[in-house]
Amino acid sequence: AQSVTQLDSHVSVSEGTPVLLRCNYSSSYSPSLFWYVQHPNKGLQLLLKYTSAATLVKGINGFEAEFKKSETSFHLTKPSAHMSDAAEYFCVVSLYTGKLIFGQGTTLQVKP
Amino acid sequence: DAGVTQSPTHLIKTRGQQVTLRCSPKSGHDTVSWYQQALGQGPQFIFQYYEEEERQRGNFPDRFSGHQFPNYSSELNVNALLLGDSALYLCASSFSTGSNQPQHFGDGTRLSIL
Repeated sequence: AQSVTQLDSHVSVSEGTPVLLRCNYSSSYSPSLFWYVQHPNKGLQLLLKYTSAATLVKGINGFEAEFKKSETSFHLTKPSAHMSDAAEYFCVVSLYTGKLIFGQGTTLQVKP
Repeated sequence: DAGVTQSPTHLIKTRGQQVTLRCSPKSGHDTVSWYQQALGQGPQFIFQYYEEEERQRGNFPDRFSGHQFPNYSSELNVNALLLGDSALYLCASSFSTGSNQPQHFGDGTRLSIL
């Protein structure tokens, strides 16, 4: 069965410092993986996607993620946090049918 | 280029009532999926529509039903509303049903049951 585990429910960083949001997945076949961001009272915005091409995936707003099959991980990083990055982040695995399985989410707090 | 649009943005209903939520997909998209997001949780898949048919369904009771129209827009209907149905309902659209097709989400409909 496919599943996603986000290892931290809450991450707090200072503005200008690196961001690391951790995600492990379980899949019986080569997965398609996504990171989405949700700002308060908003829908979900796609940050980036992995679909079995390059293992290092670059997304919008300076975010990137690395697919590591040996560790079944897909961690999201950004070199320097900005106040506008404060939001809820979801790691998502897509089944071959297109059904999305979401992690529980990580709240990113950015302190001035 | 308009993205995914949902209506209404907010809705208040009482237990036992019925509700209809609407979604217009992003231009060029033909597949619509619906998700329920309870407070503080990740979205849960309800069902997916493609070519006007329900293609797959999550673990939701028959009180939840839907429809897709020839212009690809979609409706989500919920009958006999329960307090536990209070949630943000998200619509997502994509081009085809493949796993590598990113889904684009609307801002959702906030449904409150009194």
